[in-house]
Amino acid sequence: KQEVTQIPAALSVPEGENLVLNCSFTDSAIYNLQWFRQDPGKGLTSLLLIQSSQREQTSGRLNASLDKSSGRSTLYIAASQPGDSATYLCAVEFYFGTGTSLTVIP
Amino acid sequence: ETGVTQSPTHLIKTRGQQVTLRCSSQSGHNTVSWYQQALGQGPQFIFQYYREEENGRGNFPPRFSGLQFPNYSSELNVNALELDDSALYLCASSSRTFSGRTQETQYFGPGTRLLVL
Repeated sequence: KQEVTQIPAALSVPEGENLVLNCSFTDSAIYNLQWFRQDPGKGLTSLLLIQSSQREQTSGRLNASLDKSSGRSTLYIAASQPGDSATYLCAVEFYFGTGTSLTVIP
Repeated sequence: ETGVTQSPTHLIKTRGQQVTLRCSSQSGHNTVSWYQQALGQGPQFIFQYYREEENGRGNFPPRFSGLQFPNYSSELNVNALELDDSALYLCASSSRTFSGRTQETQYFGPGTRLLVL
């Protein structure tokens, strides 16, 4: 069974800082990996989807990378803003990590 | 903002009761997946429906069952409710071709928060 781990569990940064969120998975035979954002008590918002044949995807200030051989993905957020404060979840197909809670301090 | 809707938004039930949660998928999507999210945890996969057939199931007992209708909307039914069933229930729709197992982007609804007393 696929296991997905996200480190750190919580992160607090000052506004404007660049940051990296980490996701690792145990089975490298994946079809895709997706990053989501979740605001408190809300559903999930899709940020980026990386297919297994891809190495990275970019959307605005976000960049996600995928290294299947090492079982890792990173989500890079440039020039963080207070509105980026949320929980970020990584999903390998149906399997989710427990998320990283990000707080951006004005 | 996605086109996935869920009802009801909140629900309170007592142990032993049964509950039905509903999900309308985004236009053009033929696949619906259901997840259970306990407080402070990531979503746990319950099952997926593709063209009205169950197509994959997580580690949930048979008292969790579902349906998908011809218009691709879906229901999640939970029988004999237990206190541990209290959680946010999320549905996600996606578009999947017959040929592939590949999941396209999943679009989530706002969820139904279930409290079992």
